[in-house]
Amino acid sequence: KAGVTQTPRYLIKTRGQQVTLSCSPISGHRSVSWYQQTPGQGLQFLFEYFSETQRNKGNFPGRFSGRQFSNSRSEMNVSTLELGDSALYLCASSSAGTYQETQYFGPGTRLLVL
Amino acid sequence: GQSLEQPSEVTAVEGAIVQINCTYQTSGFYGLSWYQQHDGGAPTFLSYNALDGLEETGRFSSFLSRSDSYGYLLLQELQMKDSASYFCAVRSPMNRDDKIIFGKGTRLHILP
Repeated sequence: KAGVTQTPRYLIKTRGQQVTLSCSPISGHRSVSWYQQTPGQGLQFLFEYFSETQRNKGNFPGRFSGRQFSNSRSEMNVSTLELGDSALYLCASSSAGTYQETQYFGPGTRLLVL
Repeated sequence: GQSLEQPSEVTAVEGAIVQINCTYQTSGFYGLSWYQQHDGGAPTFLSYNALDGLEETGRFSSFLSRSDSYGYLLLQELQMKDSASYFCAVRSPMNRDDKIIFGKGTRLHILP
């Protein structure tokens, strides 16, 4: 079974631009979560999607948004990029997103904002 | 607020045993998970404790005490490949949703 894939792997943008990141979960998984990872803050939860609906949301500004498609693939969008948005963005999938389930992480997209 | 605390760094010698602690403060609690992340890699699942006690998986064991809001990851017979960051995580109900909260990670350094 193929693992979680994320595209692109690396991205350089400038302040004020917007960016879209893509995540394809493991086949059969319906839950996709997104995280921002920075050296100072660790892994911070952005949002979780299940069956095309946002189920949970972390404490991030409205510039961060996402969606999930009928095939469970998910995208996250960051508008009006700021320098502080430079981070590794990870997505993780699980079968149904229940609390006891393991999350399987993708390799991440490393975003650099200049 | 909701938070998890774990040491930022731990150093141990190859072949030895090391324990990485995690204390949590959450309004609700389902269970404690542990993840390993090598430099440049993605986090990978190690263990999950829903009930008090010790769970053993090969060289790795994880312990939970709900009454103490405390858990730990125990790594035995340390190998150089165990050099990585280790994260504890809880899924906690918050308002009407539940959220996944990660600790900031413990960097494990292994000396030959």
